[in-house]
This record gives sequence, C-alpha cells and structure tokens, in this order.
Amino acid sequence: DGGITQSPKYLFRKEGQNVTLSCEQNLNHDAMYWYRQDPGQGLRLIYYSQIVNDFQKGDIAEGYSVSREKKESFPLTVTSAQKNPTAFYLCASSPQGAGANVLTFGAGSRLTVL
Amino acid sequence: KNEVEQSPQNLTAQEGEFITINCSYSVGISALHWLQQHPGGGIVSLFMLSSGKKKHGRLIATINIQEKHSSLHITASHPRDSAVYICAAKSGNTPLVFGKGTRLSVIA
Repeated sequence: DGGITQSPKYLFRKEGQNVTLSCEQNLNHDAMYWYRQDPGQGLRLIYYSQIVNDFQKGDIAEGYSVSREKKESFPLTVTSAQKNPTAFYLCASSPQGAGANVLTFGAGSRLTVL
Repeated sequence: KNEVEQSPQNLTAQEGEFITINCSYSVGISALHWLQQHPGGGIVSLFMLSSGKKKHGRLIATINIQEKHSSLHITASHPRDSAVYICAAKSGNTPLVFGKGTRLSVIA
C-alpha cells in the first residue's frame, strides 16, 4: 500500500545535538512538507519541497534544515540552533506541488529534548 | 496570509448528540479541508470542499464562500469520534494554512 513512513516514532535528544527525522513516501508525489505541532497550536510549516533538489522555507524554518535528493525522501534535521525543539513533527506529501489540494500525512515523530 | 480560526477549541458531548465545529478564514480560498487527528497523532483527511456540502457516513461538511465559513457536523456522535478536528484553507499556489483544531470528547 502507498503511504508515508516517518521514523523514528519517538526520539530523545540531549541539548546541543543535531537529530534527523526521516520521511519516505511511495506515492510518487511531487511535493513534500514538514510541519511542527505544539499543544494548543495549529500545524506550522517548517519547510516544503515541490521538486527534487529544491525546497523553500516555511513559517518557522530557523534551526531546521532539509534536503531533497530523491523524490521519495525528504529528511528533516533539527539542529542545535533550534531553541525549543521538543514537539511533534509531521511529514506530508501532495501530488502536484504546493498548488495541489490533496495532502497525505505520515504518522508523525515525537521529539523530546532532555 | 490567510488566517484560519476554529471554534470551539474544546467540545464535550454525550453519545448520540449532534455536533457542530466551525471554521472561518480571512481571504478567498480554492479549497477548505477538514482533517481528523487521533490521539496517536496521525492525521487523516475527511473532506476537501470548495462549495456546497459533502457527506460521508455520519459526517457532513458545508462551506459558505461568501461568508468565508465552513462547518463540520457529526450526527449521532459516538465515543470513537473523539479526536482533534482540524480545518485548513488553501489559497492559490501556497501551502495550506491550518486552524488550531477542535478537541472533541464524546462520552458514553
């Protein structure tokens, strides 16, 4: 079955460490997105990519980095520059770039900084 | 940038009650999404609509383009409907803008 796989589901990090969250899709979707979710807040866009080797900053890109070397993969690195990284991170994809109306989500990764 | 507001923020209902969740947005849209997030965190798409009304089982979504308002209704609510319901607005070629969600608890 097609879908989006995020890993790990739970991740603990010490302050000062970089961590990378994986997002893989086998839907042949062009666009991929990373969102952050905090309690009581809506999903906020971190980065998105419409095609391979291209990506754009979202509303809260500071302290994060991404790459899009393959259509299927869009990993997110939470760097030590991110001051408050504890959150739930969701990856999503859509078939026709940022203009598409269909969005499929992964199950999410919960990052906790100790 | 579009601003998306949902109400209520939290909602508790008795099993069998009719439930309404509201969503308003500030600028014209091409589509309005309703999403459901269960306690495990995964999100599934319920509806995408740009006009009128859509129905799926006990769920009904409506949108009034002139008033920039959409509602999600749940008929004969059940404890398994307990989840966070999120609306999201799509404008032009920009990514979705999400509301903060409505946390629904249905008590047996």
